[in-house]
Amino acid sequence: DARVTQTPRHKVTEMGQEVTMRCQPILGHNTVFWYRQTMMQGLELLAYFRNRAPLDDSGMPKDRFSAEMPDATLATLKIQPSEPRDSAVYFCASGWTSGGTDTQYFGPGTRLTVL
Amino acid sequence: QKEVEQNSGPLSVPEGAIASLNCTYSDRGSQSFFWYRQYSGKSPELIMFIYSNGDKEDGRFTAQLNKASQYVSLLIRDSQPSDSATYLCAAMIYNQGGKLIFGQGTELSVKP
Repeated sequence: DARVTQTPRHKVTEMGQEVTMRCQPILGHNTVFWYRQTMMQGLELLAYFRNRAPLDDSGMPKDRFSAEMPDATLATLKIQPSEPRDSAVYFCASGWTSGGTDTQYFGPGTRLTVL
Repeated sequence: QKEVEQNSGPLSVPEGAIASLNCTYSDRGSQSFFWYRQYSGKSPELIMFIYSNGDKEDGRFTAQLNKASQYVSLLIRDSQPSDSATYLCAAMIYNQGGKLIFGQGTELSVKP
């Protein structure tokens, strides 16, 4: 049963600390997405990659967030320094993009709390 | 104006009734549309997608698409309490690498 995995599942940190979230996409998928979900804003796309190349990171605060895909089995999202307003659930999703009815499958999420 | 809009609800229906969830979108370049279900504290899970005008049925779920009216809907027949969740509508814009734009979601409550 192929699934997207994310670590850690929960993270509590203090303002100013670095936070790194990791995602293992489903094997064979060529697209990886990072989302943030809050009650106020809903589900927001932060960044996404196709074949490990960044396609769009316009949804990300550039000064503190960075997303990378060092290899096909790992995507990372870093926040440095973290702020209380970054508290949210961060989801990674993966899919196979062919230009048609591409579907995305979500990981369980990382619930981040910044104090 | 948000690119994908949904009524936030909550939408309350009795068990066994038909639940109708609606979604409108503003970008006519939207190519395909997806419905995700999200239980509280869980991640979104894909229910179905539609890309052609008309109806698409999958079990108790029917997705409807009207591109002229820029309108997508999801019907859930014989609603069950286990269908109580937030339903997210998403639009895929043509030629943007699979990017999805999500609506805010509609909370559905099915009362026994």
